[in-house]
Amino acid sequence: DVKVTQSSRYLVKRTGEKVFLECVQDMDHENMFWYRQDPGLGLRLIYFSYDVKMKEKGDIPEGYSVSREKKERFSLILESASTNQTSMYLCASSVLQETQYFGPGTRLLVL
Amino acid sequence: SQQGEEDPQALSIQEGENATMNCSYKTSINNLQWYRQNSGRGLVHLILIRSNEREKHSGRLRVTLDTSKKSSSLLITASRAADTASYFCATDYGTGNQFYFGTGTSLTVIP
Repeated sequence: DVKVTQSSRYLVKRTGEKVFLECVQDMDHENMFWYRQDPGLGLRLIYFSYDVKMKEKGDIPEGYSVSREKKERFSLILESASTNQTSMYLCASSVLQETQYFGPGTRLLVL
Repeated sequence: SQQGEEDPQALSIQEGENATMNCSYKTSINNLQWYRQNSGRGLVHLILIRSNEREKHSGRLRVTLDTSKKSSSLLITASRAADTASYFCATDYGTGNQFYFGTGTSLTVIP
């Protein structure tokens, strides 16, 4: 079975802190994605990557950056966390246009 | 926004009844997918239907796609309490590397 893991299920950070969210997949998928999910807004794409060291902005990249140094790992970075980044963060991986496999999510609270 | 829209936003039915939820989208697609999300968890892929397909079945799930109306429906037959979850449609655009998710239908199945 495909497995996508995220480094934390719950995270509490202070405003201004640098936050790293890690995602690892074990199926050699080319594509990896970071979404945030907020009530009433559904899933919104922050960034995605279609190859090592390659990245593209999604719909809401402001305040975020990403890193993909290895194929299996895709990191989301909040350079200076703000309260409006309190959300559920979901990582996913896929092969091209096919099924996306999601991690369990990280619920981030920024105080 | 290229985001899809599910309808209804919330649905409550008795166990054993059928549940139907709909998804509308805005531009041409390569495929459309349905996902389920249990409360506080990641999304789980249910079914993928390609743009040249009109209907697809998987167990108690039946998905239809009408590309002329830019809409899809998900039917869950003989619902069970365990089907209680949020259901999302996702569509890909252009190169297909990005997926756009709707805001979801929250289904409650009452035992």
